[in-house]
Amino acid sequence: DAGVIQSPRHEVTEMGQEVTLRCKPISGHNSLFWYRQTMMRGLELLIYFNNNVPIDDSGMPEDRFSAKMPNASFSTLKIQPSEPRDSAVYFCASSYYNEQFFGPGTRLTVL
Amino acid sequence: AQTVTQSQPEMSVQEAETVTLSCTYDTSESDYYLFWYKQPPSRQMILVIRQEAYKQQNATENRFSVNFQKAAKSFSLKISDSQLGDAAMYFCAYESNYQLIWGAGTKLIIKP
Repeated sequence: DAGVIQSPRHEVTEMGQEVTLRCKPISGHNSLFWYRQTMMRGLELLIYFNNNVPIDDSGMPEDRFSAKMPNASFSTLKIQPSEPRDSAVYFCASSYYNEQFFGPGTRLTVL
Repeated sequence: AQTVTQSQPEMSVQEAETVTLSCTYDTSESDYYLFWYKQPPSRQMILVIRQEAYKQQNATENRFSVNFQKAAKSFSLKISDSQLGDAAMYFCAYESNYQLIWGAGTKLIIKP
């Protein structure tokens, strides 16, 4: 298995633009997580899906953030409009039981 | 609420020596999982080792082992025969009901 796949690996955009981050979980995994990592706040869980259904989105910072999981093999995290304070590394992770496997992350820079 | 504390922001060790990274946690639950993850400069989060709370035996993975003290709520990671490739941030994490609660991390420096 190729592991968790995320795209793009790097994204540079201007304030106000829409940003879409993509994730392909490991086949057979039924849980998917989106995290954000910054120096100031460390790793933060944004949202958790189980069997494609959002279970806990209490970590989503505000309405500018949205996440979808239309099927078991694909999820997106969208930021619209983006702001400089959204600059961070965004990780997607998947699990079958309780061991989470992380993707390589997307480094987002909002100018 | 569960919390995870890593009291050592940075540790350094001589190559080939042994180093122990500390982690304590707070919970009222009796059944849970604990993990150590490694994040090298490439930023990839890599699972190093896991421990199930109901197991008394300490987990071991090659040069990595844990000292799990359930009563003390302590979960330290020992790295034996340290190698240059072990240089990374190490995160301790507590798992309960799908969520991982993370420590702040310890930066491990390997001196050649």
